[in-house]
Amino acid sequence: GQNIDQPTEMTATEGAIVQINCTYQTSGFNGLFWYQQHAGEAPTFLSYNVLDGLEEKGRFSSFLSRSKGYSYLLLKELQMKDSASYLCAVMDSNYQLIWGAGTKLIIKP
Amino acid sequence: DADVTQTPRNRITKTGKRIMLECSQTKGHDRMYWYRQDPGLGLRLIYYSFDVKDINKGEISDGYSVSRQAQAKFSLSLESAIPNQTALYFCATSDLTSDTGELFFGEGSRLTVL
Repeated sequence: GQNIDQPTEMTATEGAIVQINCTYQTSGFNGLFWYQQHAGEAPTFLSYNVLDGLEEKGRFSSFLSRSKGYSYLLLKELQMKDSASYLCAVMDSNYQLIWGAGTKLIIKP
Repeated sequence: DADVTQTPRNRITKTGKRIMLECSQTKGHDRMYWYRQDPGLGLRLIYYSFDVKDINKGEISDGYSVSRQAQAKFSLSLESAIPNQTALYFCATSDLTSDTGELFFGEGSRLTVL
């Protein structure tokens, strides 16, 4: 079966750096997405990786290793507004998105 | 105003009632989707449509139906609601020409079935 694994919850300190991991087992691969979802709100797009390596976008970076079925989202200079759930999703060979359950990130002052 | 609008935002209903959730978008996207989100689970696809004449079942279509009334409108119906359909429902759109296939989500419709 297809599976996306990510930690359920993480805690970090304001101003620090946090890495949220995502491992996947899917039938084929056509890209990996990270979305941010604040409580009670809609998910919003953060990043897309289809090739191995690091994609940097401001304070957020996303890394992909297709051979290892692994990605991480790196958040730097954490701010209180970064408290949210972070959803990892993989597009399989049929171009269907498989979603992880999300990682709830709690930022403490 | 939101680009993807869902109505109602909250609904409480009883078992056996028919419910319709509506979605409209001003993004001009051809592709529209209905997802449900449950605590501890990933988003699950119910139905999707790539244009007005195209309707496809997703992972969990049983108990649901959809109608694509126009490019901008995609509605989800529960013909006879049951308690395990209590969930947060999201409509989403995507652009056929996008390099990434990024999804744009509505604000969600929270449905409670008693």
